[in-house]
Amino acid sequence: NAGVTQTPKFQVLKTGQSMTLQCAQDMNHNSMYWYRQDPGMGLRLIYYSASEGTTDKGEVPNGYNVSRSTTEDFPLRLLSAAPSQTSVYFCASSSGQLGTDTQYFGPGTRLTVL
Amino acid sequence: SQQGEEDPQALSIQEGENATMNCSYKTSINNLQWYRQNSGRGLVHLILIRSNEREKHSGRLRVTLDTSKKSSSLLITASRAADTASYFCATDAKAAGNKLTFGGGTRVLVKP
Repeated sequence: NAGVTQTPKFQVLKTGQSMTLQCAQDMNHNSMYWYRQDPGMGLRLIYYSASEGTTDKGEVPNGYNVSRSTTEDFPLRLLSAAPSQTSVYFCASSSGQLGTDTQYFGPGTRLTVL
Repeated sequence: SQQGEEDPQALSIQEGENATMNCSYKTSINNLQWYRQNSGRGLVHLILIRSNEREKHSGRLRVTLDTSKKSSSLLITASRAADTASYFCATDAKAAGNKLTFGGGTRVLVKP
């Protein structure tokens, strides 16, 4: 199993550009998550999905959008990139609901917005 | 806002020594998890302790939970250079919608 995969690994955008960060898991997990990690800080939840077809906002959803049309995929869209969105983005998945189970993380996407 | 706060923020020890880090949280929790993050990598789950448990072991790791003090500790015994990483606690609390909330982490440097 590949676990949780994320693409791209690195991305540089100009202010105002849009893009999609890809995330896929092959563990048949119900729940998936997007976090951002700023330098020297912990992770903050952007969006999560408890099951295929459902999504919900986390702590910092502004400027982002998600969809969950399949169990495997959970893409994160930046609608109009801003320098404040410069961060490392992690996707994660878990078999159980929300915080009750171990989360498995992808390797991250390092995004710079100029 | 962060539910869990780790202490210390950074820790430097010699190989073979024990490393202890603490996590304090604000509201009642269902469980608490510890994760490790090597530089530039994703987080890796270490251990989960439920609110009705007081201590758990996994290899060289020992986690304690004191719900009366709203705190947890992670002890790494006989540390190795490979233990150099950041360690995060994450709490699952009803007040946070049962979503994991991560602390800011403790950066551990194990010197050979």
